[in-house]
Amino acid sequence: QSVLTQSSSVSGAPGQRVTISCTGSNSNIGAGYPVHWYRQLPGTAPKLLIYGTTNRPSGVPDRFSGSNSGTSASLAITGLQAEDEADYYCQSFDSSLTAYVFGTGTKVTVL
Amino acid sequence: QVHLVQSGAEVERPGASVKVSCKASGYTFTKDFMHWVRQAPGQGLEWMGLINPGNGDTMYARSLQGRLTMTRDTSTSTFYMELSSLTSEDTAVYYCARRYCSNGVCVYGGDAFDIWGQGTVVTVSS
Repeated sequence: QSVLTQSSSVSGAPGQRVTISCTGSNSNIGAGYPVHWYRQLPGTAPKLLIYGTTNRPSGVPDRFSGSNSGTSASLAITGLQAEDEADYYCQSFDSSLTAYVFGTGTKVTVL
Repeated sequence: QVHLVQSGAEVERPGASVKVSCKASGYTFTKDFMHWVRQAPGQGLEWMGLINPGNGDTMYARSLQGRLTMTRDTSTSTFYMELSSLTSEDTAVYYCARRYCSNGVCVYGGDAFDIWGQGTVVTVSS
């Protein structure tokens, strides 16, 4: 089981805003290690959406934004679109495990 | 353009070993660490380990230590991941993923993964 916990699913209508949470501990997010977010469409490799907790790689629309507070991080998607229906994962580093870790994953459904 | 191209699907018997390759192109091979990540059917992502292509140093997930070996061939810009003593629980899609550092500054524990291979399906079955 992962040390980063995400809600299993979130849903929203087109145009709405949804938020995905990623809860960790003082050995990962709370220790200041950056959080990164990925989107994975069925049958494809994950794609980097947010790096360094708040930054978007070139080509990622500003509808996606990241933040953190204490031992948790969040990914917000505004203006939800049908193409946003996918699995989303957070990722960080854990000093107790001496390992990179992924969140449990969140399935986003566009109603 | 940066590409990571992985080897094809494998079917192995329990107890056997599998070796997956990941050929890199479009960037300086020795510049960035390469990570390996796997995903069991219907499950989430699991980090396996990383290799420094400059000197071959590795770091493995504790759960896989003793069974996992990562290597690289600088002459062909290819990374390898070998997993031994396979069980059905090793059935998964295996990905290589290049390290990405925020603002070009690489710090311990700060790696994101910006370029991924297409994945290699490994099936362990008797």
